[in-house]
Amino acid sequence: EIVLTQSPGTLSLSPGERVTLSCRASHSVSRDSLAWYQQKPGQAPRLLIYGASSRATGIPDRFSGRGSGTDFTLTISRLEPADFAVYYCQQYQTFGQGTKVEIK
Amino acid sequence: EVQLVQSGAEVKKPGESLKISCKGSGYKFTNYWVGWVRQMPGKGLEWMGIVYPDDSDTRYSPSFQGHVTISADKSIKTAFLQWSSLKASATGIYYCARLRGGDSPMEAFDVWGQGTMVTVSS
Repeated sequence: EIVLTQSPGTLSLSPGERVTLSCRASHSVSRDSLAWYQQKPGQAPRLLIYGASSRATGIPDRFSGRGSGTDFTLTISRLEPADFAVYYCQQYQTFGQGTKVEIK
Repeated sequence: EVQLVQSGAEVKKPGESLKISCKGSGYKFTNYWVGWVRQMPGKGLEWMGIVYPDDSDTRYSPSFQGHVTISADKSIKTAFLQWSSLKASATGIYYCARLRGGDSPMEAFDVWGQGTMVTVSS
């Protein structure tokens, strides 16, 4: 069974900053099935990235994903107020535990 | 508009049965896997299982196999998640979601329902 470990657990940042979130798999996974989601309080998750690096429909280009094998990242180039949320990575049946991006 | 609309909140007692639903619209329901994701209070997301409505092929996470049943009725474009005997540990929000891209079971979830809150308490 795959384990996905996200780091850090929480990030405190200011609008306009660049942030990179990490998702590390316990063993090599197919990048085709690596996805990232954003979840805000009281809302359903929203798909941001699929196939490790493809943006979902309607996702702004300040969100980008990369990686392969066991190491994947999600980068937000310039944080906007709407981006403060919890971010999850997923590979097939496994979700990471999430990274919370909060306002500093 | 592609959407999944879930049934309303439920309050149940331990030992009771429950079936919640997720109705798809705006797309060809039979051509996409539909899955269920649990979120316990204040916790992260857990992949429970998926069903392919066209032939009812079903895949479960080992953590949920035998504890829940996932099914679909393509005639009414609806997927279901059911319990035969609820435990208090089942309390949480349950989301249904569609897998993108068609017939691969390993795709990401691209369309999500609004969530169904299930509370199990004596």
